[in-house]
Amino acid sequence: NAGVMQNPRHLVRRRGQEARLRCSPMKGHSHVYWYRQLPEEGLKFMVYLQKENIIDESGMPKERFSAEFPKEGPSILRIQQVVRGDSAAYFCASSPRTPNTEAFFGQGTRLTVV
Amino acid sequence: DAKTTQPPSMDCAEGRAANLPCNHSTISGNEYVYWYRQIHSQGPQYIIHGLKNNETNEMASLIITEDRKSSTLILPHATLRDTAVYYCIVRVFSSGSARQLTFGSGTQLTVLP
Repeated sequence: NAGVMQNPRHLVRRRGQEARLRCSPMKGHSHVYWYRQLPEEGLKFMVYLQKENIIDESGMPKERFSAEFPKEGPSILRIQQVVRGDSAAYFCASSPRTPNTEAFFGQGTRLTVV
Repeated sequence: DAKTTQPPSMDCAEGRAANLPCNHSTISGNEYVYWYRQIHSQGPQYIIHGLKNNETNEMASLIITEDRKSSTLILPHATLRDTAVYYCIVRVFSSGSARQLTFGSGTQLTVLP
């Protein structure tokens, strides 16, 4: 059973470009969470999705950021018109629907905005 | 979710037990205690979780006080590869949905040779 897969592992974008980060949850997992870790800082929750639904996006910046988890395919975190402050590690986690279970994290995508 | 308090850093000698404390004095009845760790630049790794009973798995033991206001993660025989930031998190479940994990600052554990 493959773990949570994130790609790309490293992404370089120029200011103003779009960044698309992909997350394939573990098989059988229908809950996906995105976190951001700025340099030398802790992990901050961004958004929680279930298939085709955003459950909690209280940690998402109001502009330029969006997330989806379609019926088929990976979850996508999209950042439009990137700025240098978006440079960070973005981690995805997944868990099954059953309560009282652990969430498993991917190895992250390191976004660098130049 | 309840707030947790952990010491910012700890050292442990290789081969000895590492005992990492966590205070969660405002924990409520439906909140579980989770422990994760993050080895430098990697994704967080699940270690263990519990509600009120002590738990043990192949990685660690979790001791939760009777009043549930604090807990201790025990790594029985620490190795250099256990050097990481350890996060104690309380997490609530409601209506069959799993809430997100809220990470604090954690404890930087350094295992010394």
